[in-house]
Amino acid sequence: GENVEQHPSTLSVQEGDSAVIKCTYSDSASNYFPWYKQELGKGPQLIIDIRSNVGEKKDQRIAVTLNKTAKHFSLHITETQPEDSAVYFCAASIRYSTLTFGKGTMLLVSP
Amino acid sequence: DGGITQSPKYLFRKEGQNVTLSCEQNLNHDAMYWYRQDPGQGLRLIYYSQIVNDFQKGDIAEGYSVSREKKESFPLTVTSAQKNPTAFYLCASTPRGGNTEAFFGQGTRLTVV
Repeated sequence: GENVEQHPSTLSVQEGDSAVIKCTYSDSASNYFPWYKQELGKGPQLIIDIRSNVGEKKDQRIAVTLNKTAKHFSLHITETQPEDSAVYFCAASIRYSTLTFGKGTMLLVSP
Repeated sequence: DGGITQSPKYLFRKEGQNVTLSCEQNLNHDAMYWYRQDPGQGLRLIYYSQIVNDFQKGDIAEGYSVSREKKESFPLTVTSAQKNPTAFYLCASTPRGGNTEAFFGQGTRLTVV
């Protein structure tokens, strides 16, 4: 089955800096790659996703890049703010299959 | 408002007891999922259902059971056979089987006392 590795497990940045979280996947048939943000005691919420026919996608301060050849994808957050502090999960799935999640990255943005 | 409702938010169980976690959605989604979340372990799939009256085991199904009698409801029972049930449990749904955005509930924190 699919295996998703996520790094780093924790990331501390100063407010205004950029943050990058990286994931690799094992199954070359995977074609959907979402990113979720989870605040303490709550369920994860989708913040951005990308499909395999696209190399990059942006939404205001966040962006995701996908390298199908290397089987890795990354989340980029620019101009970080304290409210960006949360746990972020990457995931991958194959058409008509379930999502496989990484183990998460705890992002701490210090004022 | 459309969404997924999990109840209760906190649940305490004595060792040896079965307990059922509720998950209801009004999004008209076909597929529903149960995940277990432990610190540093990410989200691990317990069971999923893509259609009423049908469900499949995920990666960590031992000690759990589910039913899908209605499209809107997918309850999870944590049985006494689950050796380490203390965890945060998340229910999710998708419009169709996978490969699209999953919507999550707010979770149920189960503690064995």
